[in-house]
Amino acid sequence: NAGVTQTPKFQVLKTGQSMTLQCAQDMNHEYMSWYRQDPGMGLRLIHYSVGAGITDQGEVPNGYNVSRSTTEDFPLRLLSAAPSQTSVYFCASSHRGLNTGELFFGEGSRLTVL
Amino acid sequence: AQSVTQLGSHVSVSEGALVLLRCNYSSSVPPYLFWYVQYPNQGLQLLLKYTSAATLVKGINGFEAEFKKSETSFHLTKPSAHMSDAAEYFCAVSDRYDRRFGAGTRLTVKP
Repeated sequence: NAGVTQTPKFQVLKTGQSMTLQCAQDMNHEYMSWYRQDPGMGLRLIHYSVGAGITDQGEVPNGYNVSRSTTEDFPLRLLSAAPSQTSVYFCASSHRGLNTGELFFGEGSRLTVL
Repeated sequence: AQSVTQLGSHVSVSEGALVLLRCNYSSSVPPYLFWYVQYPNQGLQLLLKYTSAATLVKGINGFEAEFKKSETSFHLTKPSAHMSDAAEYFCAVSDRYDRRFGAGTRLTVKP
């Protein structure tokens, strides 16, 4: 029962460095998304995908890139990390509508940018 | 645009007491409403979901929520708190085009 798997769980970066947060799901879900969680702000949508080859921006997309080459994988790329990107990142997938279905979350990736 | 307001960032109850976590929403169309729970160092898990089938929704772990359209509320309740209920709880509202989460309420359960 893997569900949604995120790696790495923890990462420390220096300002300007790049990295990729990996996300994989084994439930054959069409819809996948990335959220960031900041204290007192709940979860905010960064990018989402409604299927392989299709991605779109969410509420806070600046500084992040995504791609969806397969149904299973949805990596999130930080091209030039900034301290404002220090956060906990969650990948989620859904087998029905992106907004109306139940979201299945990974365990999160805690990123610190120095 | 939709929005969610969770009243109270921290709620503390005694074990065995009633749990009441408040959620108010705004939406221009009939919404889908969700409650999620997050335990430390874990992702969010669905507690329950409202999709217009019934105004009182029962979820896992003894939680339930009532949709009140006139009050635009979807408060979460549990008759008797257990130590294992200590977690952060998030309310979310969505329609076909958008999903928004509340800021969360941290529930502490005192022995």
